[in-house]
Amino acid sequence: EADIYQTPRYLVIGTGKKITLECSQTMGHDKMYWYQQDPGMELHLIHYSYGVNSTEKGDLSSESTVSRIRTEHFPLTLESARPSHTSQYLCASRGTSSPQYFGPGTRLTVL
Amino acid sequence: AQTVTQSQPEMSVQEAETVTLSCTYDTSENNYYLFWYKQPPSRQMILVIRQEAYKQQNATENRFSVNFQKAAKSFSLKISDSQLGDTAMYFCAFMKLYIQGAQKLVFGQGTRLTINP
Repeated sequence: EADIYQTPRYLVIGTGKKITLECSQTMGHDKMYWYQQDPGMELHLIHYSYGVNSTEKGDLSSESTVSRIRTEHFPLTLESARPSHTSQYLCASRGTSSPQYFGPGTRLTVL
Repeated sequence: AQTVTQSQPEMSVQEAETVTLSCTYDTSENNYYLFWYKQPPSRQMILVIRQEAYKQQNATENRFSVNFQKAAKSFSLKISDSQLGDTAMYFCAFMKLYIQGAQKLVFGQGTRLTINP
């Protein structure tokens, strides 16, 4: 089982604020992912990374951006939060021959 | 493109009963993985069980087992002796087997399972 950490777990913020959701893993996994999920709904991939300095857009268009400067760290940034960004954001990682393991998620509410 | 379909939005059984969750998928790939993830009210996604398509033997993890029918593109999850802690959303997921690439997961819509005391 991978150790994946996400902070904050809960965030309530006003419209227009810049936010960064943190995701770190300690297993040395090269592939990392960000998903967006509304309550009780399916997951949608918004960003992924093959490794350091590699980032790709996922299947669902998102106004967020990501960076991958270090293997273990894959932060997601929203430059100007809006109520439509209210959702749960799940980070995941996997190694070469392992399944995807997920972090505990960040529940974001934008007022 | 691959698709994953879970036709049961909600299910409810009594504690200690056996329950089977359905999942079908569509792909032209021959090598792939299938997964069942569980998402309890805490909303963390937890891997329950996985199956490699090249293996004919169905995967088993304690009370959880799958019925993998490759020709029918079916991948059901059986939970035996269900417990209250099994109450969760269950997602079926597909992943192509790449030698290189990010190997993205394709998720089904989820089945909300409630275990009643």
